[in-house]
Amino acid sequence: DIVMTQSPLSLPVTPGEPASISCRSSQSLLHSNGYNFLHWYLQKPGQSPQLLIYLGSHRASGVPDRFSGSGSGTDFTLKISRVEAEDVGLYYCMQVLHTPLTFGGGTKVEI
Amino acid sequence: QVQLVQSGAEVKKPGASVRVSCKVSGYTLSDLSMHWVRQAPGKGLEWMGGFDPDDGETIYPQKFQGRVTMTEDSSTDTAYLELSSLRSDDTAVYYCARRADLHDAFDIWGQGTMVTVSS
Repeated sequence: DIVMTQSPLSLPVTPGEPASISCRSSQSLLHSNGYNFLHWYLQKPGQSPQLLIYLGSHRASGVPDRFSGSGSGTDFTLKISRVEAEDVGLYYCMQVLHTPLTFGGGTKVEI
Repeated sequence: QVQLVQSGAEVKKPGASVRVSCKVSGYTLSDLSMHWVRQAPGKGLEWMGGFDPDDGETIYPQKFQGRVTMTEDSSTDTAYLELSSLRSDDTAVYYCARRADLHDAFDIWGQGTMVTVSS
């Protein structure tokens, strides 16, 4: 199974400041079509997960442009350019290239 | 607008089975790829399986094979997750989620169903 490793586990942030989360996979997530099959989700307290970034770097519909995704192969990063209070929650990366689909362990972002 | 509405919380005894439903509105169930994800209390997300449109079959991770069954009722646009031989570590919130054709991400999620396994 593909192991997804996120860091840090916990990320204290200050509103208005940038933040960054790393996700590493045990195998490459780069498909022959040129896309990385890596997605990012945010689970706000008491809510279902919501899609933030798909295929490594594409913002999902309605996601603010302060969120960005980058990386390729096995190393990926989610960045928040200026954290807002509403960004607190658990962030997960997920790979969908290999079965079984697997998630990272999560990063808790808190003010 | 696609919405997924799940059934209510369940409490089951060890060894029993549970069935969770996920009703689709704003779309036709047969036209989408439905998956299930669970989250134990205080833990991360775990994929339980889902429909693979490439081969037209439902796929399950080895961990759940033999214990989980995912079915669909096209007449009511409702998907079902059934988990048997329940154990205490099956206590979790169970989510249905649509896997989008465009990018293979889970872009629509149900609200979650809490299943508690306790004697």
